[in-house]
Amino acid sequence: KNQVEQSPQSLIILEGKNCTLQCNYTVSPFSNLRWYKQDTGRGPVSLTIMTFSENTKSNGRYTATLDADTKQSSLHITASQLSDSASYICVVSEGTYKYIFGTGTRLKVLA
Amino acid sequence: DVKVTQSSRYLVKRTGEKVFLECVQDMDHENMFWYRQDPGLGLRLIYFSYDVKMKEKGDIPEGYSVSREKKERFSLILESASTNQTSMYLCASSLLQGGYEQYFGPGTRLTVT
Repeated sequence: KNQVEQSPQSLIILEGKNCTLQCNYTVSPFSNLRWYKQDTGRGPVSLTIMTFSENTKSNGRYTATLDADTKQSSLHITASQLSDSASYICVVSEGTYKYIFGTGTRLKVLA
Repeated sequence: DVKVTQSSRYLVKRTGEKVFLECVQDMDHENMFWYRQDPGLGLRLIYFSYDVKMKEKGDIPEGYSVSREKKERFSLILESASTNQTSMYLCASSLLQGGYEQYFGPGTRLTVT
């Protein structure tokens, strides 16, 4: 069964600290993996996309990694800000219309 | 910028009512999707449309129907709302199949009492 699992479910960090969110997937065939940020009461917004051949992709303070062999991805947030408080969702595409969503990690950044 | 809009941000309906949720995208995207999002379950696909008048069932289509009469507009219909359909409903669009980026609307929080 195609699945995307994320950990931790929730995380609280102090402003300025770094953190890493994890995503493990069992999706086949694999087309790409995206990380989305979803602010409370809003729709998700794409942060990064990674294909099979990519190991690392950065978008400002967000850096995603992908290990296609172990089927793991991580999203690293550097020097966190209060505005980083949101849910982060890992989504894997089969390459058709099928997108497999993780349940998300809820991040809270405290001042 | 791609814009996906949804007709309502918040909606309260009574059990048994017929409910229409509308979604409009302005980027000429072929694909449009309706998801529901519940705590701890992630986004689940209700219906998908890859062209005008074409639709495919997703993972949880029971109790829902859809309509796509124009390329830019995709409607979700709850024929007879029930309390277990209380949820956040998200519409998305993408250019083509093949894992293209999905652009999401702001969501409609529907409460059925």
